[in-house]
Amino acid sequence: GNSVTQMEGPVTLSEEAFLTINCTYTATGYPSLFWYVQYPGEGLQLLLKATKADDKGSNKGFEATYRKETTSFHLEKGSVQVSDSAVYFCALSAGGTSYGKLTFGQGTILTVHP
Amino acid sequence: GAVVSQHPSWVICKSGTSVKIECRSLDFQATTMFWYRQFPKQSLMLMATSNEGSKATYEQGVEKDKFLINHASLTLSTLTVTSAHPEDSSFYICSARDSSHYEQYFGPGTRLTVT
Repeated sequence: GNSVTQMEGPVTLSEEAFLTINCTYTATGYPSLFWYVQYPGEGLQLLLKATKADDKGSNKGFEATYRKETTSFHLEKGSVQVSDSAVYFCALSAGGTSYGKLTFGQGTILTVHP
Repeated sequence: GAVVSQHPSWVICKSGTSVKIECRSLDFQATTMFWYRQFPKQSLMLMATSNEGSKATYEQGVEKDKFLINHASLTLSTLTVTSAHPEDSSFYICSARDSSHYEQYFGPGTRLTVT
């Protein structure tokens, strides 16, 4: 079946540090890949997505590239801010009868200190 | 932006009672809604897919008679936890897929505690 594995957290960084959160996946076919963010007390929000190999999703300074050869979709940001503190989820959506269904990684808590 | 609400945001009930959780898309129509369960420090687990006007599709291992889902309109889906037990205590999250462009939007979640 489909699965998503994220790096263990929590991750604690100082403001302006470089961020990487690793994400690898297992899926049949060619899934779409997503990063969602959950701020305290709020619902999950789509941060970025990529729908095919070598696509790069980007938003709010965050980037992730769909790497089919390594089945990875690592999230990066060059300079984090305190406001980036949240829980980040990597997810995939397979096609066919699973269309629209999301399989999530376990989530990574990010805390950014001033 | 698209907003999905859930009600209640938290609920405490006694073992053996039933609890209904509502999921509403406030400014768009959603033919399909999804119900997830999230345990502490764990990922979201898809429970079922709710389609407007038809029966819900449950994931393997989810008891359909225990978790009743009704999607009676394009803006409302409900999840009823019947005969709740302490092991049903969890964080329940819904998402709604916008019928016009298939983007999914998540509700803020409902914390259920069964005593």
